[in-house]
Amino acid sequence: AQSVTQLGSHVSVSEGALVLLRCNYSSSVPPYLFWYVQYPNQGLQLLLKYTSAATLVKGINGFEAEFKKSETSFHLTKPSAHMSDAAEYFCAVRLTGGGNKLTFGTGTQLKVEL
Amino acid sequence: DTGVSQDPRHKITKRGQNVTFRCDPISEHNRLYWYRQTLGQGPEFLTYFQNEAQLEKSRLLSDRFSAERPKGSFSTLEIQRTEQGDSAMYLCASSLEDGTIYFGEGSWLTVV
Repeated sequence: AQSVTQLGSHVSVSEGALVLLRCNYSSSVPPYLFWYVQYPNQGLQLLLKYTSAATLVKGINGFEAEFKKSETSFHLTKPSAHMSDAAEYFCAVRLTGGGNKLTFGTGTQLKVEL
Repeated sequence: DTGVSQDPRHKITKRGQNVTFRCDPISEHNRLYWYRQTLGQGPEFLTYFQNEAQLEKSRLLSDRFSAERPKGSFSTLEIQRTEQGDSAMYLCASSLEDGTIYFGEGSWLTVV
């Protein structure tokens, strides 16, 4: 069964510093992977997705993620953090077996400090 | 362009009461999903529809939960005899067949 693990439930960075949020996946088939962002009291917004095309995926708001099969990872990065990036970030994998269902990690809360 | 719309955004109810949430998906999307999210957790899949057919229900969806999508457009999620453990955010999402899933703003339920 497919699953994702997010390492670090809380990450704190300084404004302007590199953001690195970790996600490892488990899948017996080539996975479709996603990163979503959730601001307080709001739904989820898609940041980017990997669907077996280019391994480096660029998303919105300057975020990108690299699919590394050898490491079973799909870490999210942004070169320079902004205060507005403070939010919760979820990695997700699409389940096989039809239905286009997603299973999510437990999330990483990103704090950006001055 | 309207995204996925959910109503109400917040609901406080007494234990034992019934509640109903409504979701209006993006207009051309034939798939509609319900997820539940509790504090500190990622969303968990509950059920999904393709057009008006409910194709899958999670084991998380107890008999007190029922979802409908009568005309293949909007959907309702009803919880009967609410319990405190039902307190969560209920997220609706929609997509084309195997397309990107877009989420609504969520409906917060607090059972007191």
